Amino acid sequence: DAGVTQSPTHLIKTRGQQVTLRCSPKSGHDTVSWYQQALGQGPQFIFQYYEEEERQRGNFPDRFSGHQFPNYSSELNVNALLLGDSALYLCASSLEGGGSGNTIYFGEGSWLTVV
Amino acid sequence: AQSVTQLGSHVSVSEGALVLLRCNYSSSVPPYLFWYVQYPNQGLQLLLKYTTGATLVKGINGFEAEFKKSETSFHLTKPSAHMSDAAEYFCAVSETSYDKVIFGPGTSLSVIP
Repeated sequence: DAGVTQSPTHLIKTRGQQVTLRCSPKSGHDTVSWYQQALGQGPQFIFQYYEEEERQRGNFPDRFSGHQFPNYSSELNVNALLLGDSALYLCASSLEGGGSGNTIYFGEGSWLTVV
Repeated sequence: AQSVTQLGSHVSVSEGALVLLRCNYSSSVPPYLFWYVQYPNQGLQLLLKYTTGATLVKGINGFEAEFKKSETSFHLTKPSAHMSDAAEYFCAVSETSYDKVIFGPGTSLSVIP
């Protein structure tokens, strides 16, 4: 059973460009969240998707947007890239309404470098 | 709002010594608490989690943590440090088992031979 998979693993973009990161949740999971982890910091919550809708959003500008597809996979889009957007982007999946036995799984992340 | 603080951004211990990483949280609801480990250039690996029930939680690689509601703490311990434990450790809190996770700033653990 594959866990959370993310692509690409590494990419380099130029300031002002746009980037799309992709995530496939763990089998059976229907909720996808995205996090940004800058160097030397803890992950910061960007937003969460459930039933193809953005359900929660952290303190990130509108340049950060996302999408969830009917098969529960998700994309993170960042427009007008800034140098400060360089970070590890983590995707996490979980099961809506899952009880105490539920676990949030993280992918290995996508390393984005903006030059 | 939920938040997590981790005392000590960097902790050094000798191989074989006790590991103690401190975590305090704030939450308006009974929290779900987690410890994650991150090795260099890798993603997050769940060490252990507290949801309900027993307050002493055992995780992987010999780590355990105790939930103390009165102290709003969830400190991570391991009786004997191994060189392979050197990594970044994150304490985190969530309102449910599937909700957004709020992470602390992390503690970098070094193990001295």
